[in-house]
Amino acid sequence: DTGVSQNPRHKITKRGQNVTFRCDPISEHNRLYWYRQTLGQGPEFLTYFQNEAQLEKSRLLSDRFSAERPKGSFSTLEIQRTEQGDSAMYLCASSNPGARSGANVLTFGAGSRLTVL
Amino acid sequence: AQKVTQAQTEISVVEKEDVTLDCVYETRDTTYYLFWYKQPPSGELVFLIRRNSFDEQNEISGRYSWNFQKSTSSFNFTITASQVVDSAVYFCALSEAPYTGNQFYFGTGTSLTVIP
Repeated sequence: DTGVSQNPRHKITKRGQNVTFRCDPISEHNRLYWYRQTLGQGPEFLTYFQNEAQLEKSRLLSDRFSAERPKGSFSTLEIQRTEQGDSAMYLCASSNPGARSGANVLTFGAGSRLTVL
Repeated sequence: AQKVTQAQTEISVVEKEDVTLDCVYETRDTTYYLFWYKQPPSGELVFLIRRNSFDEQNEISGRYSWNFQKSTSSFNFTITASQVVDSAVYFCALSEAPYTGNQFYFGTGTSLTVIP
């Protein structure tokens, strides 16, 4: 297993367009998280899944944002009608809280950087 | 509410100096975990260390050591004999117990520059 994979790594789009990011977590991890990170800030929680169930969403996740994890494996994060304020790094992380070692440790992907012009 | 504060925005040290990164946290939970993550220029957050709220024993792992004090809600991280490769942004994070909560709360990070 090569870790958490995210694509695309970079996306430049025009305001008003829709974008979708994909995350492939570590295969034995049943939790998957999306975070957003802007310049000079720490990651901010957006949402998380336990298997295919989306259990919590941050108020940062406006109705233009939607995330899915249809089969409990990979996840997608879609942003509709992008705004310049959406420009950020979108980070995916996964964890396996049931693991004896490494429980509750987030393993992050390299992120998907979004630039909205 | 949970909160993590990293008061140091940027630190510069000369190679081989020791450096301590400060972290203060707030939580009402009695069970929680504290973490340090490193984010090098490549951008990927890398897990460094974790401590749970019941274990205040401070440890050393190679050039890394940490000082967890519940009395002052601090979880400081020290790099001994710093190296240029240690240059990165370091984030302190707090999470609730895995089966009662889910969110990880990150500080704003401390940018460490190690000068050769």
